[in-house]
Parts: sequence; structure tokens; C-alpha cells
Amino acid sequence: DAKTTQPTSMDCAEGRAANLPCNHSTISGNEYVYWYRQIHSQGPQYIIHGLKNNETNEMASLIITEDRKSSTLILPHATLRDTAVYYCIVRSPDNSGGSNYKLTFGKGTLLTVNP
Amino acid sequence: DAGVIQSPRHEVTEMGQEVTLRCKPISGHDYLFWYRQTMMRGLELLIYFNNNVPIDDSGMPEDRFSAKMPNASFSTLKIQPSEPRDSAVYFCASSWGPVRDTQYFGPGTRLTVL
Repeated sequence: DAKTTQPTSMDCAEGRAANLPCNHSTISGNEYVYWYRQIHSQGPQYIIHGLKNNETNEMASLIITEDRKSSTLILPHATLRDTAVYYCIVRSPDNSGGSNYKLTFGKGTLLTVNP
Repeated sequence: DAGVIQSPRHEVTEMGQEVTLRCKPISGHDYLFWYRQTMMRGLELLIYFNNNVPIDDSGMPEDRFSAKMPNASFSTLKIQPSEPRDSAVYFCASSWGPVRDTQYFGPGTRLTVL
């Protein structure tokens, strides 16, 4: 399974863009990069995912480098409610041998948005 | 939709007692996942189901843990007998499947075993 490396913590000022990096240098060609976040005392929440191209949705943008060895999650205008642990996950095939996939969560990055 | 529903939200029990955690997935979702989260080990996948059939239970820590999904709208995770080291937050999640596989998590059950 491709492993990911994220900074333990980051700070961001409210209203500014938050750029969260993730290193996944051993990623395989058919593995997707997923981002989830977990606000304190809640279940994880899906943010965005991508394979090769950059992606954008109403929550964030995902920038994947051309060699796919790293990616950056961008929250364009961070708010206090964006304070959470952000998980970068490389989706790997499971052991059942089929087309099922499972997510392996690491330690993530604690993003603190300051007023 | 109400989202994934878990009950109870909090459970305190004594060592040796049986504990049953419950989950109602989002209607129409074919996949159901059980996770456990602790400070030491983070968020771990225990088991997941596809169309009510267990697909991968390699994360289940030992025989004291069992999970069932008798129908598409209900699943249980049972611990018997419970031990203090089972204290954790247990999350249930569901998804449509491999194509639209975003997982939607419930609020979790905080289990404390004394």
C-alpha cells in the first residue's frame, strides 16, 4: 500500500487560503488520492479525491503533481469551522481480490484556523 | 436523508460484559464499514460489508469481536466479553460502492469499559 506523509500540524489565519501538503511517493498508477477531515468529536467527512488531474469542488481544490508523488489540498478561504484533522489517503485495493477498495487512515494534519 | 445513524452515542460498561453497537446506513448504500478510533492507534477499519455480506474482516482484533448485517438497513458490532482496552470511539460508515465510493460516517459510539 502506498503510504502518505503529512505534517503533524499547521496554522492558518481566518480568511486566508490553507494549503495542506501530502507526500505519497510510492503511489501506484491506479491509486486515487482521497482527502477526508475530522472535526473534533465528529465522524470523518469526505472532502475531495483525484487520480491525475487537479480537482475542485465546493469545499476545496486538490492539486496533484505531474509525477503524482505529492498533492496539496487547498481551502481557499479558511474559516474557524475548518479547524480539524485532515487526512490524506491513498486508496488501495483490499484483500478480497475484487473491485472493492478500502481506506487506510494515517495520523493526518491538525489544521488550526486562527481568528 | 438523516445520514448514518449509530446507537448508543455513549456506552459505559464493566469488564466482562457484552456490548452491542448498532448502525443504520444511508438508504440505498451497498457498503457498510465499521471503524475503531483510539489515540494510540488512530482510525482503524475493523470490517466491511457489501450487500450485507462480510467482505474483509481482517481488521477485527480477535474473536471477542463479531459483526452482523441481517439486512440492508441494520448492522451490529458485538464485543463479548468486553475489556478495558476495547475503550474507543466506534464509527460506522456507508457508501454506494466502488464507483461512487465516498464514505459517509456516523457520529460514532464512545465506548468506555471499566
